[in-house]
Amino acid sequence: DAKTTQPPSMDCAEGRAANLPCNHSTISGNEYVYWYRQIHSQGPQYIIHGLKNNETNEMASLIITEDRKSSTLILPHATLRDTAVYYCIVRVGSSASKIIFGSGTRLSIRP
Amino acid sequence: GAGVSQSPSNKVTEKGKDVELRCDPISGHTALYWYRQSLGQGLEFLIYFQGNSAPDKSGLPSDRFSAERTGGSVSTLTIQRTQQEDSAVYLCASSRRGQSNEQFFGPGTRLTVL
Repeated sequence: DAKTTQPPSMDCAEGRAANLPCNHSTISGNEYVYWYRQIHSQGPQYIIHGLKNNETNEMASLIITEDRKSSTLILPHATLRDTAVYYCIVRVGSSASKIIFGSGTRLSIRP
Repeated sequence: GAGVSQSPSNKVTEKGKDVELRCDPISGHTALYWYRQSLGQGLEFLIYFQGNSAPDKSGLPSDRFSAERTGGSVSTLTIQRTQQEDSAVYLCASSRRGQSNEQFFGPGTRLTVL
């Protein structure tokens, strides 16, 4: 799996958009970008994934650059419950495979 | 529907004892994964099962660790002769065969070795 680079921590005001960056410059053509988050004392939770097109679901939006070397997870209206560690992962999506978690970004939401 | 369940939620044991941790995946999910997370550390892959294929054991830290998946459903992670460094939260996840392959995680078992 390709290595990803994320800032160790970020903060955002409640109600504002939280934009979490991720670099994955060595991504291969068949690898997807996945985002998970882990709220304190809980198991990780899947958020969203994409290959090359931008994706949106009820939780977030994923913006992938045209060269696919970086991406941004957007939480459009952050709430206190979004405080968590966010993991950007690159892996082949067509078959089951282990997730290699990095250190992620610790996002703190300010009231 | 029901998510991934794990039992026990907490386990305290003495150094040198054996422990068994159980995972019930989401019904119909063909892949099952074990990870662990030590205090203040990241998530570490241990082992995964995919259908009838041989499991990927590449993350098991020593031969004291083993896992089984019976009938393609429930899995048991066994740690023999536990050591204090085995103390961690052990997380199980499952996924369904398909293009997205997102993994659904259980709440974890917190293991404390005294």
